[in-house]
Amino acid sequence: DAKTTQPNSMESNEEEPVHLPCNHSTISGTDYIHWYRQLPSQGPEYVIHGLTSNVNNRMASLAIAEDRKSSTLILHRATLRDAAVYYCILRDYNTNAGKSTFGDGTTLTVKP
Amino acid sequence: GAVVSQHPSRVICKSGTSVKIECRSLDFQATTMFWYRQFPKQSLMLMATSNEGSKATYEQGVEKDKFLINHASLTLSTLTVTSAHPEDSSFYICSASTGWKGQPQHFGDGTRLSIL
Repeated sequence: DAKTTQPNSMESNEEEPVHLPCNHSTISGTDYIHWYRQLPSQGPEYVIHGLTSNVNNRMASLAIAEDRKSSTLILHRATLRDAAVYYCILRDYNTNAGKSTFGDGTTLTVKP
Repeated sequence: GAVVSQHPSRVICKSGTSVKIECRSLDFQATTMFWYRQFPKQSLMLMATSNEGSKATYEQGVEKDKFLINHASLTLSTLTVTSAHPEDSSFYICSASTGWKGQPQHFGDGTRLSIL
């Protein structure tokens, strides 16, 4: 499985934008880039996903590098509820039911 | 939409007991479900991939006779931890997705299993 690397932790101030980076230099052409976040003692929550083009939804934006070897999750205005562990994973739509390997993620702290 | 319900949310039981955890997709058909376990302050570790009507595919190092997985319908998968011991105590999480593999996984809220 292609791996992703993320910073262990990041801090942000409330109501400021947050850019969470993810490197996936061994990404294959059939890998989708997915982002999830997890609050303590809860299952992960889907945030956004994309293949090649940048994506926007009500929660966040996903910026994908032209060579697809990195991506950035953008929270436009961080709130205290956005404090969580954010996981960037690759999901291969072509093999083995699209199973995904979770890395260590980035723990986002939001300061009031 | 895309709600996954996991039950029970918490189990405390004695060593040697078998424990069954259910994972249901409430508003979509899940051809594939995944089971993870997560230790404190660690990431999710994939245990097995479950496809409706067929045997589960276990990850390396996961004992299939210890962790029995059944995916009998398009909306229900179960994980049974057989003869549980304290080292099996963990946070177990299921996820479900539709047949198109590029689509997101939708996760249950997890089951906290504590074996005394």
